[in-house]
This record gives sequence, C-alpha cells and structure tokens, in this order.
Amino acid sequence: DAKTTQPPSMDCAEGRAANLPCNHSTISGNEYVYWYRQIHSQGPQYIIHGLKNNETNEMASLIITEDRKSSTLILPHATLRDTAVYYCIVRALMQTGANNLFFGTGTRLTVIP
Amino acid sequence: DAGVTQSPTHLIKTRGQQVTLRCSPKSGHDTVSWYQQALGQGPQFIFQYYEEEERQRGNFPDRFSGHQFPNYSSELNVNALLLGDSALYLCASSLLGAETQYFGPGTRLLVL
Repeated sequence: DAKTTQPPSMDCAEGRAANLPCNHSTISGNEYVYWYRQIHSQGPQYIIHGLKNNETNEMASLIITEDRKSSTLILPHATLRDTAVYYCIVRALMQTGANNLFFGTGTRLTVIP
Repeated sequence: DAGVTQSPTHLIKTRGQQVTLRCSPKSGHDTVSWYQQALGQGPQFIFQYYEEEERQRGNFPDRFSGHQFPNYSSELNVNALLLGDSALYLCASSLLGAETQYFGPGTRLLVL
C-alpha cells in the first residue's frame, strides 16, 4: 500500500470549512483514497473514499487531484464535535484477499469556538 | 442494527499473564480484523479472519493469536503479556472484498 503524508496538526474556526490535505505521490492506479477519523479514545470512524473522481457524502467532500498524487478532505462547516485525528489511507481493493488498512499518524484537527 | 461490539471495555493484567478479547461484527459482516493502537500512534494491523481462518497477518509475534466462530464473532488472544502490549485493541468488521471496514469502540488493555 502507498504511503501517505499529512500535516501533524491543524486548527479550524467553528463554522468554517476545514480542509485537510494528504499527499500520496506513490499511489497506484488501483488504489483508493480513504479517510477515517478517530475521536479521542473511540474507534476510527469511516468518512469517505474515492478512486479518481471527487466524492461527497453527508459528512464530507473528497477532492482528488487529476494526477491522483494528493487529495483534500473538506468538512464544509466544522463543529466542535469534528475535533479528532483524521487519517488518510490509500489501499487497493482485492476481490478475494484481505483489504486491511495501514494507518499513519494522521492530522490532529482542533476546531476552535 | 448493532454495530461492532467489543468486550471488555477495559482490562488490567500483569506481565506474563494471558488475555482474551472478544468482538462481535456488524450484522451481515463475515470478516473481522484486529488492530493494536499504542498511545499517540495510529492503529497497526494484527490479523484478519474470514471463514474461521486467518487470512492475513501483520508484523506481530506468535504470542498474538485469534479465532473466528461460525457466527463470525472473533477472539484475540495474547500470551505472555509484556508491558509493551498495553494499548487500545480495535476490532473492525466488513464483508470480504468490500470497500469499508467498520470499527468497534476498542478494548483498552493495561499491562502492569
């Protein structure tokens, strides 16, 4: 699985958009970009994933550059409950094999009142 | 629909002891993965079970073993506990080959 690089920490004002970057310059053509977050002392929570197109769900938007070497997770209106560690993970999907996640150290997002 | 559940929530053991942690997957899921998360680090993959067999293993010693039951629930066993085994142990479930894993709340193990 490709390695990812994220800033260790970021702050965001409550109500503003939080833009979390991730570099994955060695990503392969069959590897997806996943985002999970972990609120203090809880299990990781799935946010969103994508292959090459931008994706949006009720939680966030994922913008993947055309060369797929980087991506940005966007929380459109950050709230205090969005304070968490955000993990960007790239991995291939295998039909018959294990599809496990290899976490880095993530970005600690702090939403400020 | 219950999500992934784990028991116990907290556990204290002493060095050399053995521990068993339990996980019930999300309804409809057939695959269980276990992760270890040390303080301040991201989760590290231990192993994955499907059809009651270990399908993939991370870089963990044989002291870490597991089991999956016919109802898809799973156990993680750690023998000869070391101080360094103190961590949050996370269980994640999915359908084999599916896109998303869902995590339980974890079991926090403290080895004294």
